[in-house]
Amino acid sequence: QAGLTQPPSVSKGLRQTATLTCTGNNNNVGNQGAVWLQQHQGHPPKLLSYRNNSRPSGISERFSASRSRYTASLTISGLQPEDEAEYYCSAWDSSLSAVVFGGGTKLAVL
Amino acid sequence: QVTLRESGPAVVKPTQTLTLTCTFSGFSLNTSGLCVTWIRQPPGKALEWLARIDWDDDKYYSTSLKTRLTISKDTAKNQVVLTMTNMDPVDTATYYCARAVAAAPAHFDYWGHGTLVTVSS
Repeated sequence: QAGLTQPPSVSKGLRQTATLTCTGNNNNVGNQGAVWLQQHQGHPPKLLSYRNNSRPSGISERFSASRSRYTASLTISGLQPEDEAEYYCSAWDSSLSAVVFGGGTKLAVL
Repeated sequence: QVTLRESGPAVVKPTQTLTLTCTFSGFSLNTSGLCVTWIRQPPGKALEWLARIDWDDDKYYSTSLKTRLTISKDTAKNQVVLTMTNMDPVDTATYYCARAVAAAPAHFDYWGHGTLVTVSS
């Protein structure tokens, strides 16, 4: 089923700011917004952001999310070595009655 | 404390049926609004959503896999079971279960550690 579109990779320097994008359509991102997940190698994903910019307890304020029409964005400020990970967006698609994922963005912190 | 744990065979043969169990604690699927979801991830690849079951027994499936999937729950045992028929080597993946809320079904707030299933003769 059609998924969300994410750039495969982003590279930024230590303490810089990275912005990751996730593009969908009016049935998914444009409807309920996107959820962001972080996955380190060998570990299950972890919820970072939901309802466009709510964070679970324990998630750093350096992670902030936003949405503009059909594109959701995750901004990570003050990049740290531990931010190097794969980032996925997901959303409920009302036309498919299913969750769709993006292909993931691998963030490298140089 | 919410925990989820996946269990099932590590290896299945092509054409066989895979049965995976998600055993959870810290919440009940009798609680209005909650759901449990199965998601998989082939080695080195992206996450793929498979199925969801709600507290009221509503079920949802991946459109590309729906003919092969069945999801069910045993509320008394705090378990959700996923079966996938006609397994193929391309189904080799780590299979995760995760909790979500039916009003925000992509909001996976708790995950199991995952179980790797290899399809090989």
